[in-house]
Amino acid sequence: NAGVTQTPKFQVLKTGQSMTLQCAQDMNHNSMYWYRQDPGMGLRLIYYSASEGTTDKGEVPDGYNVSRLKKQNFLLGLESAAPSQTSVYFCASSYNWGETQYFGPGTRLLVL
Amino acid sequence: GQQVMQIPQYQHVQEGEDFTTYCNSSTTLSNIQWYKQRPGGHPVFLIQLVKSGEVKKQKRLTFQFGEAKKNSSLHITATQTTDVGTYFCAGYLNKFYFGSGTKLNVKP
Repeated sequence: NAGVTQTPKFQVLKTGQSMTLQCAQDMNHNSMYWYRQDPGMGLRLIYYSASEGTTDKGEVPDGYNVSRLKKQNFLLGLESAAPSQTSVYFCASSYNWGETQYFGPGTRLLVL
Repeated sequence: GQQVMQIPQYQHVQEGEDFTTYCNSSTTLSNIQWYKQRPGGHPVFLIQLVKSGEVKKQKRLTFQFGEAKKNSSLHITATQTTDVGTYFCAGYLNKFYFGSGTKLNVKP
């Protein structure tokens, strides 16, 4: 099993550009999450999907959108990138909501 | 709103010394999880505590959940260089609330 995979690993964007971060899991997990990690601030939840076809806002959803059309995939979109969105983005999944989370390797995003 | 505070932010120890990190929540939690993130890596699950007053051990690591289920600690006995990384707690109450992490550096 590959576990949780994320693409791309690195990305540089210019302010105003849009992009989609991809996350896939092969563990048949029901719940998936998107976090951002900034120095000294731990992990902050952006959006989550408790089950296939449902999505909800987390702590810091502004400027992002998500879609979960397939159980194994959770996409994070940046509508119009801003320098404040420079961060490391982690996707995670768990078998059910509230259970152990398995994290992907992360996407390092730089917005100029 | 719900917050999980974690202290200290950094800890530098000599190899062989002990290490402790603490998490405190403003409200009672359903459970708390602990994760370790190696430098340049991603968080990896260590353990979950559910019961009031629960204590769990994993080799040199001891995890405690407070009686009121508002605080938790992770204690490492006789640190080794392999313990280097950032340790996060994640309190769960309908959602996960991560502490800001404690970065542990171990000098050989």
